Amino acid sequence: DAGVIQSPRHEVTEMGQEVTLRCKPISGHNSLFWYRQTMMRGLELLIYFNNNVPIDDSGMPEDRFSAKMPNASFSTLKIQPSEPRDSAVYFCASSRDFGNTIYFGEGSWLTVV
Amino acid sequence: GEDVEQSLFLSVREGDSSVINCTYTDSSSTYLYWYKQEPGAGLQLLTYIFSNMDMKQDQRLTVLLNKKDKHLSLRIADTQTGDSAIYFCAESSYQKVTFGTGTKLQVIP
Repeated sequence: DAGVIQSPRHEVTEMGQEVTLRCKPISGHNSLFWYRQTMMRGLELLIYFNNNVPIDDSGMPEDRFSAKMPNASFSTLKIQPSEPRDSAVYFCASSRDFGNTIYFGEGSWLTVV
Repeated sequence: GEDVEQSLFLSVREGDSSVINCTYTDSSSTYLYWYKQEPGAGLQLLTYIFSNMDMKQDQRLTVLLNKKDKHLSLRIADTQTGDSAIYFCAESSYQKVTFGTGTKLQVIP
């Protein structure tokens, strides 16, 4: 079975540009999570969806960040405008039901210069 | 809020056993997990234990759970250089999954 698929794997962008990260969860999973990982703050949960509905976005750092899940097989995390402090690895993950085992994608490595 | 704590760093010699420890605060945890993250990669699920178990063994991996003390450990027997990675402990309850900060395991040849 295909795992969680994220794109792009690596992105370098200039400050002020819009960044869109994409995720395809594992088929049949109805919970989807976006995490951010940095050296300073470790692994942070940004937002999670259950059955395509955002349940908790309290981890989203500020209004520049937004996430959508238009259907069960696709989600986006958008940063507009991007700033250098947004440089991090962004992980998408999914699980069959909330509270069950979470499976991670390989991450999108974002550098904002 | 719920908290999961791990030591940041562990160094062992190749062939020795590694023990990575984790403590958590959520008394309603249902599952506890160990994930492995190699450089440049995502988090890979290593093993998990249901909260009503106290031990689970899978080849070189042994998970011990002390539910009374809310303490979880991962023992890696005959540690190899390929085991060098960051190991994350996580606990799940109905409402959320909480990850620890990760323990970086360095294996010295």
